[in-house]
Amino acid sequence: GAVVSQHPSWVICKSGTSVKIECRSLDFQATTMFWYRQFPKQSLMLMATSNEGSKATYEQGVEKDKFLINHASLTLSTLTVTSAHPEDSSFYICSARDAGFNSPLHFGNGTRLTVT
Amino acid sequence: AQKVTQAQTEISVVEKEDVTLDCVYETRDTTYYLFWYKQPPSGELVFLIRRNSFDEQNEISGRYSWNFQKSTSSFNFTITASQVVDSAVYFCALSEETSGSRLTFGEGTQLTVNP
Repeated sequence: GAVVSQHPSWVICKSGTSVKIECRSLDFQATTMFWYRQFPKQSLMLMATSNEGSKATYEQGVEKDKFLINHASLTLSTLTVTSAHPEDSSFYICSARDAGFNSPLHFGNGTRLTVT
Repeated sequence: AQKVTQAQTEISVVEKEDVTLDCVYETRDTTYYLFWYKQPPSGELVFLIRRNSFDEQNEISGRYSWNFQKSTSSFNFTITASQVVDSAVYFCALSEETSGSRLTFGEGTQLTVNP
């Protein structure tokens, strides 16, 4: 079946540095990808919708200059956490669909980010 | 606006007991999808089921069953003869046609199955 690969699965970085997370659709083309964030013992919250070849759409309250999203191809979307702070420590997970609304969503395995 | 409510924050059962996880949703769309996902401690989301708004048939898959009732806007999930490996956080989610494939998740229910 369709697979979404997310890399890295975990990362530790120092405060002030930037971290890039990749989300790849391995056997289908994803026109749209979604980035979610999950704090410990909380639900998943949508951060942004990434559309191939156009700017991402950010949810209210998500800083677009801090969380840079690039969807340069139909199989790759990247999320860059810029100038990371300890409060950015979270579990980030992407999802992708290979067609319209009726097509199923596929999730990556997530990236656990720890900012020290 | 779409909303999903999972009123049960934590449930603890003994192995072999049946357990039902509740999910109530709100939407103004007539076309939407409902989902259940399992999230084990490792963090990945395991897809369990997707149900569209026009299909109210209940579904059974092994020890899992789902009861979709549009009249009460509920999509409950029952695990029969629970096992320790069922211990996880379970999320109910909603996707409206007018919102594309954006998922709105409930708060999740932590299920602990004790031996």
